[in-house]
Amino acid sequence: GAVVSQHPSWVICKSGTSVKIECRSLDFQATTMFWYRQFPKQSLMLMATSNEGSKATYEQGVEKDKFLINHASLTLSTLTVTSAHPEDSSFYICSARGTVPQETQYFGPGTRLLVL
Amino acid sequence: GQNIDQPTEMTATEGAIVQINCTYQTSGFNGLFWYQQHAGEAPTFLSYNVLDGLEEKGRFSSFLSRSKGYSYLLLKELQMKDSASYLCAVLDSNYQLIWGAGTKLIIKP
Repeated sequence: GAVVSQHPSWVICKSGTSVKIECRSLDFQATTMFWYRQFPKQSLMLMATSNEGSKATYEQGVEKDKFLINHASLTLSTLTVTSAHPEDSSFYICSARGTVPQETQYFGPGTRLLVL
Repeated sequence: GQNIDQPTEMTATEGAIVQINCTYQTSGFNGLFWYQQHAGEAPTFLSYNVLDGLEEKGRFSSFLSRSKGYSYLLLKELQMKDSASYLCAVLDSNYQLIWGAGTKLIIKP
């Protein structure tokens, strides 16, 4: 149980294009999902909290117009990186909050984004 | 401010035991998590402690002392595949997960 999928696992795109990443909870409903970014050899950095049916809550310093989050259903959240630039190249990981144990975050496998 | 401290890096020998410590200062406490993250992969859930004491799960055990703001992850019978980063995270009073920077564990034969 508590499986989270993420798609795609790898993206290579040109600077200026937009990239959409999907995060799905496969065997449970997740009212809350989280989007993280992790640069090589650095800690996880929370970008935003995605709540089903409402606007995402962004962490300080994260541009909400650049990183668009949509949590349209209890099993799907999407992150769109708009007008991507090389500095956006990173490892993007989503997690879904489950209930067993309480408040446990289960992570998707991550998406590697490389912007050329 | 909120703070979670854990050692940056530890080295241990295959077959041995290692203890990774985590101390925290947070606004409220609703549980402490340990995650394992192999290089290039996403974190995977290991354990959750909300009450004081030791929780054992196979070769891994996690301990919590709320009065001391302290937890440890104990790994027994170390295997090479245990080489990874181990992340400590605390759920604060707002149910926000506060992450430590992680401890990189290196296992040597």
